Amino acid sequence: GAVVSQHPSRVICKSGTSVKIECRSLDFQATTMFWYRQFPKQSLMLMATSNEGSKATYEQGVEKDKFLINHASLTLSTLTVTSAHPEDSSFYICSATAVAYEQYFGPGTRLTVT
Amino acid sequence: QKEVEQNSGPLSVPEGAIASLNCTYSDRGSQSFFWYRQYSGKSPELIMFIYSNGDKEDGRFTAQLNKASQYVSLLIRDSQPSDSATYLCAVNIGRSGSEKLVFGKGTKLTVNP
Repeated sequence: GAVVSQHPSRVICKSGTSVKIECRSLDFQATTMFWYRQFPKQSLMLMATSNEGSKATYEQGVEKDKFLINHASLTLSTLTVTSAHPEDSSFYICSATAVAYEQYFGPGTRLTVT
Repeated sequence: QKEVEQNSGPLSVPEGAIASLNCTYSDRGSQSFFWYRQYSGKSPELIMFIYSNGDKEDGRFTAQLNKASQYVSLLIRDSQPSDSATYLCAVNIGRSGSEKLVFGKGTKLTVNP
């Protein structure tokens, strides 16, 4: 149980375009999902907390107008990177809570902006 | 500042040995503690969680928690080359109702055949 999927697994886009990443909890309902970013050889950095039916809570320094998060249902959250630039190239990972504070991670999306 | 500290390593142990990974945290209100394993290029995988002081065993893994010392550790017995990965310690920040976890930077473990 507690399986989280992400789509796409890899995406390459041109600078200035937008990219949408989907995160789904497959076998449980997740009231809370989290979005992380991880640069090479660095730890996970929490970007935002997403609650179903309400606005996401962004961490300090994360631009909410650039990283749009929608959590329309108990099994789906989306992250849209708007007007992507090469510095946005990173590994984006979502997670969802199934029980208490246990977070289960999706497989991640590797974004490359050219 | 809520912090979770880990020795970045690399920690190198021979196959069959016990690997000991350590983590300290700064928030005394933290109640939930997690160990994740992350292989290179992959996302983290939850391997252990512990909420109470003492030891918790699951197969070859033992998590140890000492809230008074603000210390949590992970022991891997009979280490295998497949255990080679980065191990992330994560701590719930302790604020009531918050499900956020703070992650350490991870300890890279290498198990040599």
